[in-house]
Amino acid sequence: GAGVSQSPSNKVTEKGKDVELRCDPISGHTALYWYRQSLGQGLEFLIYFQGNSAPDKSGLPSDRFSAERTGGSVSTLTIQRTQQEDSAVYLCASRRGQVLNTEAFFGQGTRLTVV
Amino acid sequence: QKEVEQDPGPLSVPEGAIVSLNCTYSNSAFQYFMWYRQYSRKGPELLMYTYSSGNKEDGRFTAQVDKSSKYISLFIRDSQPSDSATYLCAMSTTSGSRLTFGEGTQLTVNP
Repeated sequence: GAGVSQSPSNKVTEKGKDVELRCDPISGHTALYWYRQSLGQGLEFLIYFQGNSAPDKSGLPSDRFSAERTGGSVSTLTIQRTQQEDSAVYLCASRRGQVLNTEAFFGQGTRLTVV
Repeated sequence: QKEVEQDPGPLSVPEGAIVSLNCTYSNSAFQYFMWYRQYSRKGPELLMYTYSSGNKEDGRFTAQVDKSSKYISLFIRDSQPSDSATYLCAMSTTSGSRLTFGEGTQLTVNP
């Protein structure tokens, strides 16, 4: 596809269950971001991957959150033992490289609801 | 205190009005300044990009950066109902490992 693809678009899960969210970036984009968007909180940075460099995980809110990027392409964000406060829209973005004047393209997000 | 402050609104204006959206920030290392537009249930899309201080114009949109005041603005001229969206400011340092966003301002342009 031409854009950043995220799946699923919506996910309802029970408290305490694990969830996996997937992001397919634009082909050839080496930089990939995960953000979380909650009502009244704006976009909260979670994690950043750039090529083969060690990811910047400084935004992950707890050790229940982890992310991987396999083969420099697809990324998976995993939330273990979900809590109600994890309910939010999880957005993925990719960028062509580390050049900062290139646009970061966002996917449509995964709306996670923990009940 | 948040690194980037943005009034969440909501802001409601009549069609044709000039809209002014603003953000303030505290990190003097920010060098790259962006405005994103987000329609309901969609991901943000880049609207304007500015490096360091100055103005940039693109059609009905003008972005201004005043680094001395740590203040950025987005002006929308001749606003249209299709401009109704949430507008998010975003900033980055030269290391560029992340974009720091404001909370977003919800704008409604009434026909």
